Amino acid sequence: GNSVTQMEGPVTLSEEAFLTINCTYTATGYPSLFWYVQYPGEGLQLLLKATKADDKGSNKGFEATYRKETTSFHLEKGSVQVSDSAVYFCALSDLYSGGGADGLTFGKGTHLIIQP
Amino acid sequence: GEEVAQTPKHLVRGEGQKAKLYCAPIKGHSYVFWYQQVLKNEFKFLISFQNENVFDETGMPKERFSAKCLPNSPCSLEIQATKLEDSAVYFCASSRLDSADSYEQYFGPGTRLTVT
Repeated sequence: GNSVTQMEGPVTLSEEAFLTINCTYTATGYPSLFWYVQYPGEGLQLLLKATKADDKGSNKGFEATYRKETTSFHLEKGSVQVSDSAVYFCALSDLYSGGGADGLTFGKGTHLIIQP
Repeated sequence: GEEVAQTPKHLVRGEGQKAKLYCAPIKGHSYVFWYQQVLKNEFKFLISFQNENVFDETGMPKERFSAKCLPNSPCSLEIQATKLEDSAVYFCASSRLDSADSYEQYFGPGTRLTVT
């Protein structure tokens, strides 16, 4: 079956530090990969996505590259801000195994805390 | 609409009572998904629909949970005879196949169910 593994944290950084949140996956088909962010008391917002190998998703200074050879999709940001404090979820959708839109398989989430 | 709408925002039920949650997907989206988020941030996929048809129900605890998506009505998730462990936030998401051949899921704000 499909699975996503990510560091759970909490990860605590100072403002302007470099961020990496690791994510690795296993999938039966050829998945699309996503990073979602959840701010306190809110729903999930899509942060970025990649649909094929070597694609780089980017948004709001965050980046992640789809690495098929290492089955990874690590999230990075060069300089974090206090407002980036949230829970980040790595997820995959295995488009072809079900012939349509599969439910997302999520990692357990990484709680990121940015201190001023 | 342009956002996934979920009602109610909060729902409190005594153990054994019925709970019914509603979701209005984004107009034009043909897929609807239900997820359960429990205390430790973990998301569990429950069920998906393609229009009014069940697409994937592998995550549904079938003995007490049921769901429907009928034409011209909000989708619903119903829990008969709720148990304490059903306490969670239930998220609805909708999607359609986009130009990048991926199903990007847009999430609603969630319904917090508390079973006492």
